[in-house]
Amino acid sequence: EAGVAQSPRYKIIEKRQSVAFWCNPISGHATLYWYQQILGQGPKLLIQFQNNGVVDDSQLPKDRFSAERLKGVDSTLKIQPAKLEDSAVYLCASSRKRSTYNEQFFGPGTRLTVL
Amino acid sequence: SQELEQSPQSLIVQEGKNLTINCTSSKTLYGLYWYKQKYGEGLIFLMMLQKGGEEKSHEKITAKLDEKKQQSSLHITASQPSHAGIYLCGAGADSWGKFQFGAGTQVVVTP
Repeated sequence: EAGVAQSPRYKIIEKRQSVAFWCNPISGHATLYWYQQILGQGPKLLIQFQNNGVVDDSQLPKDRFSAERLKGVDSTLKIQPAKLEDSAVYLCASSRKRSTYNEQFFGPGTRLTVL
Repeated sequence: SQELEQSPQSLIVQEGKNLTINCTSSKTLYGLYWYKQKYGEGLIFLMMLQKGGEEKSHEKITAKLDEKKQQSSLHITASQPSHAGIYLCGAGADSWGKFQFGAGTQVVVTP
């Protein structure tokens, strides 16, 4: 089966600009996650979707970050406006269902550099 | 919120030698996962432990879970260059998929 797809793989922008990332999960996976991984740290969960609904966005900086999963399949994560501290790898993951005991499958990530 | 501490932060091991990485949680574990990450790439699933005392092995990698101590260890026997990378432990903060990761352990394997 095809894995989790993400695009773009790399993005360089200047601070205060906007950027969007796209994720297509594994077919049939109901749960989708976006993580932020700053260099030297473990991934931090930003938002978790169950189908097209948000189940956890407690760590999403909502003043500048937004995410949607309109049809319960692919998802976009947007940053507007970007700050220097947003430089990180943004990872998308999906799992068959909403359970900690279901393996999460990760995409290759998008590396964002904010100048 | 749950904190996952990994130790050591990094280690250098000579090819053929064994190594151990530890992961300790400050709260109840809901599933303990080990992932491997190469620089610039996504996470590769290694194994998941669910029950106290559980031990799993895949090729030369063994992971154990001590539920009482809320601790897991990952052991690599006879390390090879292919074992180099960042090892991350992750665990559920609840049973509904809210997940957290440790900071990772960078493993370097020298000839």
